[in-house]
Amino acid sequence: DGGITQSPKYLFRKEGQNVTLSCEQNLNHDAMYWYRQDPGQGLRLIYYSQIVNDFQKGDIAEGYSVSREKKESFPLTVTSAQKNPTAFYLCASIRQGSTEAFFGQGTRLTVV
Amino acid sequence: EDQVTQSPEALRLQEGESSSLNCSYTVSGLRGLFWYRQDPGKGPEFLFTLYSAGEEKEKERLKATLTKKESFLHITAPKPEDSATYLCAVQGYSGYALNFGKGTSLLVTP
Repeated sequence: DGGITQSPKYLFRKEGQNVTLSCEQNLNHDAMYWYRQDPGQGLRLIYYSQIVNDFQKGDIAEGYSVSREKKESFPLTVTSAQKNPTAFYLCASIRQGSTEAFFGQGTRLTVV
Repeated sequence: EDQVTQSPEALRLQEGESSSLNCSYTVSGLRGLFWYRQDPGKGPEFLFTLYSAGEEKEKERLKATLTKKESFLHITAPKPEDSATYLCAVQGYSGYALNFGKGTSLLVTP
C-alpha cells in the first residue's frame, strides 16, 4: 500500500541531544513538508522541499535541519538549539500538479 | 501573509444536532482551501479541497462551502464517530505550503 511512514511513533530525548525523525513516502510525490503541532497552536511549518536536493525554511525553522537526498525520504533533525522541542511532528507530501496533501501518523517527541 | 482563523475553538453537539464550523481566511490569491479531520494522536485525514467561491463539496454528513472570505463545514445530523478536530488550511499562489488554522474540536454526544 502507498503512503507516508513516520518513525518512531514516540521519541524521548535528553536535553542537549540531537534527534532525527524519519519520514518516508512511496507515493512518488515531489513535495514534502514538516509541520509541528502544539496544543492550541494548530500546525506550523518547519521546512518544505519541492524537489530532491532543495528545501526551504518555513515559519519556525530555527533549531531544525533537514535533508532531501532521495525523493522518497525527508528526515528532520531536531538539534540542541531548539529551545522547546516537545511537540507532535507531522510529515506530509503532495504530488506535483496536485494540491491534496497526505499526512503521516506523526512522531511525538518528548524532552526528558 | 496568509491567515486562517477557525471558530469556534470547541463545539459540543448532541447526536443529530446539525451545526457549522467556520474558517475565515486572507490570502494573496487562493490556490486552494482544504478541510482535514484529525483524531487524537493521529495525522490529519484529507476531507475536501475547494478552489473558487461558490464551490460546494459533500461527503456523507459533511458539506463544505466557500466564499471569497470564508468557508463553512456543515455537519448534518452528526454521530458520535464524527467527534474529532477539524482543520482548515489555505494555499496561496505566493507559495507552496499549506497554512493551517488552529482547528475546531468537535464532540458529539449520544
